[in-house]
Amino acid sequence: ETGVTQTPRHLVMGMTNKKSLKCEQHLGHNAMYWYKQSAKKPLELMFVYNFKEQTENNSVPSRFSPECPNSSHLFLHLHTLQPEDSALYLCASSQDTRGETQYFGPGTRLLVL
Amino acid sequence: QKEVEQDPGPLSVPEGAIVSLNCTYSNSAFQYFMWYRQYSRKGPELLMYTYSSGNKEDGRFTAQVDKSSKYISLFIRDSQPSDSATYLCAMSERQAGTALIFGKGTTLSVSS
Repeated sequence: ETGVTQTPRHLVMGMTNKKSLKCEQHLGHNAMYWYKQSAKKPLELMFVYNFKEQTENNSVPSRFSPECPNSSHLFLHLHTLQPEDSALYLCASSQDTRGETQYFGPGTRLLVL
Repeated sequence: QKEVEQDPGPLSVPEGAIVSLNCTYSNSAFQYFMWYRQYSRKGPELLMYTYSSGNKEDGRFTAQVDKSSKYISLFIRDSQPSDSATYLCAMSERQAGTALIFGKGTTLSVSS
């Protein structure tokens, strides 16, 4: 595997479900990111991790819970989501957090019913 | 005023046309500029990046930065149907603790 991978690619869940999104980067980077991409809106930065430490949380509701066990893996735990949370969730990585080029995974398309 | 402005389009051109995609920005501290291409239902992929002002060329693609006008452009020569995608500009201050700021993206359709 090369680059940034994400699983699952598609997810349908009810509002009472609990699910997790997984991201893995094979680039030797130190920083990882979660973004939300909704139609007609710019990419919304959700969380930033640098060397496994969370450095940014952009006022994301607590129903989204990130986890970064090491510099290569990033999770986004989901619980009691709302229909408006349906979107493409993108993971990205970069060498560091100095505004470097970020490399994106293919995304998980989430539908909340 | 938003930090980065990008016309969402859609922009429709015939095959072989020259395409110009643009972004304007307000933060004069931005010095690192990128263009990403995103195909439908895929993640964005880095297309080009430039540091500070000037031009950079890669095949049919040319990225141009005019810091005095706070304006960046991506030109696509001899456009192909495979260029049909959404193009996002992104920029940063290139300092510790700063993030990439993305435009909304411009949707391009090239017809054969």
